[in-house]
Amino acid sequence: DAKTTQPNSMESNEEEPVHLPCNHSTISGTDYIHWYRQLPSQGPEYVIHGLTSNVNNRMASLAIAEDRKSSTLILHRATLRDAAVYYCIPTQGGSEKLVFGKGTKLTVNP
Amino acid sequence: DTAVSQTPKYLVTQMGNDKSIKCEQNLGHDTMYWYKQDSKKFLKIMFSYNNKELIINETVPNRFSPKSPDKAHLNLHINSLELGDSAVYFCASSSRQGPTEAFFGQGTRLTVV
Repeated sequence: DAKTTQPNSMESNEEEPVHLPCNHSTISGTDYIHWYRQLPSQGPEYVIHGLTSNVNNRMASLAIAEDRKSSTLILHRATLRDAAVYYCIPTQGGSEKLVFGKGTKLTVNP
Repeated sequence: DTAVSQTPKYLVTQMGNDKSIKCEQNLGHDTMYWYKQDSKKFLKIMFSYNNKELIINETVPNRFSPKSPDKAHLNLHINSLELGDSAVYFCASSSRQGPTEAFFGQGTRLTVV
């Protein structure tokens, strides 16, 4: 399993963009990069995933470094509802085994 | 309709008891999982089933026995509960076809007293 390094915590103001970094320097060539988040008292929730190219969906954007050793989850306009722990998870092919690290706790200030 | 539903949401029981947590998914997925989140908030996979067959067992004590009567259900039975089993247990499901997302239930908070 590829190891990941994420900041323990980050803060943002409402309606401002947030860039959540993740270092995964031991990622293998076939690992996808998944991002999940866990809101307080809820189960983890899928956010986005990618392999090599940058990806966008209705929730966020994922920017993947050219060498794939790091990625950044971008929330374009943070809302109070985005306050959660965000996990960056390299996975082999599918989501059969998600190995959660400590994640980044995002606080969004009104 | 809830995609992945677990029952009960809360479970308080005494040491030594046997208890079950039920999980059902209505997404048509072929793979289901159990994860455990301890008091320090670490989430770890316990089991994974694909089409009712066990494919991942992460060195979980034998007291934990998952049972999958069909593709839509994966129940977790725990024998001889110990204080250390207190945690939040999450059920999840996904399709095994490619790098798809996993859907998680709301969790079952188990407290052993």
